[in-house]
Amino acid sequence: TQLLEQSPQFLSIQEGENLTVYCNSSSVFSSLQWYRQEPGEGPVLLVTVVTGGEVKKLKRLTFQFGDARKDSSLHITAAQPGDTGLYLCAGANDKIIFGKGTRLHILP
Amino acid sequence: NAGVTQTPKFQVLKTGQSMTLQCAQDMNHNSMYWYRQDPGMGLRLIYYSASEGTTDKGEVPNGYNVSRLNKREFSLRLESAAPSQTSVYFCASSNRVRGYGYTFGSGTRLTVV
Repeated sequence: TQLLEQSPQFLSIQEGENLTVYCNSSSVFSSLQWYRQEPGEGPVLLVTVVTGGEVKKLKRLTFQFGDARKDSSLHITAAQPGDTGLYLCAGANDKIIFGKGTRLHILP
Repeated sequence: NAGVTQTPKFQVLKTGQSMTLQCAQDMNHNSMYWYRQDPGMGLRLIYYSASEGTTDKGEVPNGYNVSRLNKREFSLRLESAAPSQTSVYFCASSNRVRGYGYTFGSGTRLTVV
């Protein structure tokens, strides 16, 4: 059974700090996606990474796919209250499986 | 705006009642999905439709049925609702079954009493 473990489950930090959240698996994925979900809304796709070692940047967010395509990280620089939300990773092979998410709260 | 539209947004049912959740997408996507999201359980796939005319079971299909009405529409039916089906339901669509990102609707919050 393929599983995606996200850590930490919860993170509360002050505005302006940097943070990294992780998505780990023992399985290899052909691609990995990150989503952000705000209360009362559906998840919104942030990025898809497909190549081992790939790094993608989206403004203050940096996504990295592990060399072995089993793990990924999301780094946020100078976090802002607007970054608050549930961050989900999803690994894709024949199916897409979701991690349970990291709930991030940025304090103003 | 283009995207995935779900109706209704909120629903309260009594145990044993039936209802259909509607989903429509206007992005010409081939594949559509129904998920449920519960605290501590994450997103779990109920059913999916890889293309018009096909449907397949996901991780938690019991108690549900689906219909892919056409390329745009994919409905989820609860024939006899149970309290265990209290959840937030999300419809999603994508261009392919695997490897590419989903576009999600904004969800239906269902309570079964």
